[in-house]
Amino acid sequence: KQEVTQIPAALSVPEGENLVLNCSFTDSAIYNLQWFRQDPGKGLTSLLLIQSSQREQTSGRLNASLDKSSGRSTLYIAASQPGDSATYLCALRGRRSNYKLTFGKGTLLTVNP
Amino acid sequence: DTEVTQTPKHLVMGMTNKKSLKCEQHMGHRAMYWYKQKAKKPPELMFVYSYEKLSINESVPSRFSPECPNSSLLNLHLHALQPEDSALYLCASSPQGAHYEQYFGPGTRLTVT
Repeated sequence: KQEVTQIPAALSVPEGENLVLNCSFTDSAIYNLQWFRQDPGKGLTSLLLIQSSQREQTSGRLNASLDKSSGRSTLYIAASQPGDSATYLCALRGRRSNYKLTFGKGTLLTVNP
Repeated sequence: DTEVTQTPKHLVMGMTNKKSLKCEQHMGHRAMYWYKQKAKKPPELMFVYSYEKLSINESVPSRFSPECPNSSLLNLHLHALQPEDSALYLCASSPQGAHYEQYFGPGTRLTVT
């Protein structure tokens, strides 16, 4: 059974800092990995999708990497801003259950002005 | 347009009420999903529709009844719910196929009294 772990559970940084969020998974048989952002009480906003054949994806200040062999993905946020404060979730679409996204529990990020 | 809309935003219902949640997308996606999210937990998959047919039911109690009347619309009919069913209900859609990202709506906050 696929298990997805996100470390740390919470992170507080000063504005302007570069930061890395981590996501690890136990089964490398995946189609893709998706990073989401969720503001309190709101829906999920898709940030980046990395296919299993890709190593990284970039969008603006965000860069996500994928290393299937080690079962890890990272989300790098450059020059963090208070508006980046949210919960960040990673989710995998596995080959053994191809409709299902398996989510990590998320990292709660607070960027302090 | 990458928008999934959900109505209502908030719903309070008694345990004997019948109500429905609505989800709509106009991206031409042929896969649609219902998720349930409890506070400080990741979303949990409930149902998947593929080409307007129910393809996955994650052992959801029968008091939740999904319906997909057409390719743009997804409903979740609620009847005789329990207080523990109070949660954020999220709808998502994606193109058919495992390689595509899922787009989430803003959710309906449901409170069962």
